[in-house]
Amino acid sequence: GNSVTQMEGPVTLSEEAFLTINCTYTATGYPSLFWYVQYPGEGLQLLLKATKADDKGSNKGFEATYRKETTSFHLEKGSVQVSDSAVYFCALSEARGGYQKVTFGIGTKLQVIP
Amino acid sequence: DVKVTQSSRYLVKRTGEKVFLECVQDMDHENMFWYRQDPGLGLRLIYFSYDVKMKEKGDIPEGYSVSREKKERFSLILESASTNQTSMYLCASSRVGREGFSYGYTFGSGTRLTVV
Repeated sequence: GNSVTQMEGPVTLSEEAFLTINCTYTATGYPSLFWYVQYPGEGLQLLLKATKADDKGSNKGFEATYRKETTSFHLEKGSVQVSDSAVYFCALSEARGGYQKVTFGIGTKLQVIP
Repeated sequence: DVKVTQSSRYLVKRTGEKVFLECVQDMDHENMFWYRQDPGLGLRLIYFSYDVKMKEKGDIPEGYSVSREKKERFSLILESASTNQTSMYLCASSRVGREGFSYGYTFGSGTRLTVV
């Protein structure tokens, strides 16, 4: 079956530091890949996505590139802010006959300190 | 702005009560989902529905049921609430993608349920 692996954290960074959160996956087919963000007390929000190999998703300064050869979709940001403190979920999705089957990673908690 | 709305942010219920969690979306999405989120376990799929009156079990359906009588509304029912059902419950919806393409989910803000 499908699976997504990411570290649980917490990852603690100082403001303006470079962020990398690793995500690797296994899939039976050719999935779409996503990063979601969850701020404290909220539901998940779609941050970025990529639907085919070598696509780069980007949003709010975050980027991730779909690497089929290494089955990875690592999240990066050049300079984090305190407001980026949240839990980040990597996910893959495969469309199956009328619905999407989504597999989530466990979520990585990011703490950014001033 | 498109939305998935969950009826309650916080809920406290007693053991043995029947509990209804409501979710409404205004995007005309075909698919709707219920997850629970627990520390160290991530998101676990309880039930989903790919069309009106259709439902499918997810990974942890025991102790839960669902209802989807209208396209925009998907209800999660705890038949007899127990303390191990204390959790954050998240509803999500999505469009049906063309073959091989996924749009991603839109999530509600969540309902934090405490069973005492």
